[in-house]
This record gives sequence, structure tokens and C-alpha cells, in this order.
Amino acid sequence: AQSVTQLDSHVSVSEGTPVLLRCNYSSSYSPSLFWYVQHPNKGLQLLLKYTSAATLVKGINGFEAEFKKSETSFHLTKPSAHMSDAAEYFCVVNPGGGADGLTFGKGTHLIIQP
Amino acid sequence: DSGVTQTPKHLITATGQRVTLRCSPRSGDLSVYWYQQSLDQGLQFLIQYYNGEERAKGNILERFSAQQFPDLHSELNLSSLELGDSALYFCASSVREWDEKLFFGSGTQLSVL
Repeated sequence: AQSVTQLDSHVSVSEGTPVLLRCNYSSSYSPSLFWYVQHPNKGLQLLLKYTSAATLVKGINGFEAEFKKSETSFHLTKPSAHMSDAAEYFCVVNPGGGADGLTFGKGTHLIIQP
Repeated sequence: DSGVTQTPKHLITATGQRVTLRCSPRSGDLSVYWYQQSLDQGLQFLIQYYNGEERAKGNILERFSAQQFPDLHSELNLSSLELGDSALYFCASSVREWDEKLFFGSGTQLSVL
């Protein structure tokens, strides 16, 4: 069975400092991995997607994530946080198959301090 | 704006009642997905429709049902409501029968009192 664990329920950083949101996954297969973002009172939006083409994946709004098979991790980073990055971030795994296979993490709430 | 429209945005009702949540997918999208988001369970997949037909089923209770109409909008019906059904219900859509890139609506917040 597949699963994702987001290691921090809340992360607080100062504006202009780096962001690191941690995600570990468990999957019997070579999974597809994603990060989605949910801004307040909005639906989820796809940030980036890993599908084995390259281990470093660049997404929207300056975010990127690195797939590390040896560590079963897919951490999300951004060099410099902006106030508009304050949101809930979800790590998602899909080991293959359809909609019923998509598994969402519990989410990490990113707080940006001015 | 994702292009996915959900109505109503908020719904307050009592236990035992029945409600209908509505979703209009993005123009051209044939697949509709329903998700339930609660504090304890996180985001859970409920059901998917593609061009009017059910395609995948997740952890959807028997008290819940859904359908997709010929104009591609979808409705999620929740009946015999319980306090535990209080949650944020999201609809998402995609062009293809299955696509990992989903476009989400802003959700319907259901409160069962």
C-alpha cells in the first residue's frame, strides 16, 4: 500500500528566507509524486509533478522538489519565501492506476513571518 | 481561478437531512472527481465520473451518491446526515478520463448541526 507522510504539520519562516517542506513516501511501485498548494478559501492547485524523467523537478512560483529514492523523500523547497506563499501544502503519491490510487498527505501549513 | 465552480459555498443543515452539492467542471473537461476534506481524515477521494459514467470509487459511504449529467455538471447527494459528515467537499475536473493534474473548485463547506 502507498502512503505519504508530511513530517511537519506547521512550518514558519521569515519572508526572504528559504522554505523546506518535508515529505516521505511509501510505495511498492515507482510512484508518481506531486505537491499541491491550497491557498485560503481556494481549491488545490498543482505545484509540481515527478514522474521519473528527472529527480529535480521545478514547479510554479519558484518552488522545486527533489526525488531521493534512497531516502524515499520528496521534499519541497524554495530559496526565498514570499508572503503570498502562505498556504497549505499537500504531498501526494500515485503508485499507478486511476483516481482511487491518489493518496494525499495530511498537509503542512506554511506561515510566512514579515 | 481554476474554472471549476461549486455551489453552494456554505451549507448548514441538521442531522438526518439530505443535501445536494453541485459542481460545474472547467469548459471541455469530461472527468469530475469528488473529495472530502476533514481535519481528522485529511483529503479523501470519494468518486469519479467520466462523460456521465462512474469510473472510480473511493471511500464513499452508502448514504452518499453522485451523478454526472449530459451537460457534464455533477451533483453529490448526501443523505441521513450525521455530525461526522461535516467537512469541506471539493470537486475537481480534468480533460481526460484520468489525469493526475486536477483542477479543483473552491469547495462547499458543509456543517451538520
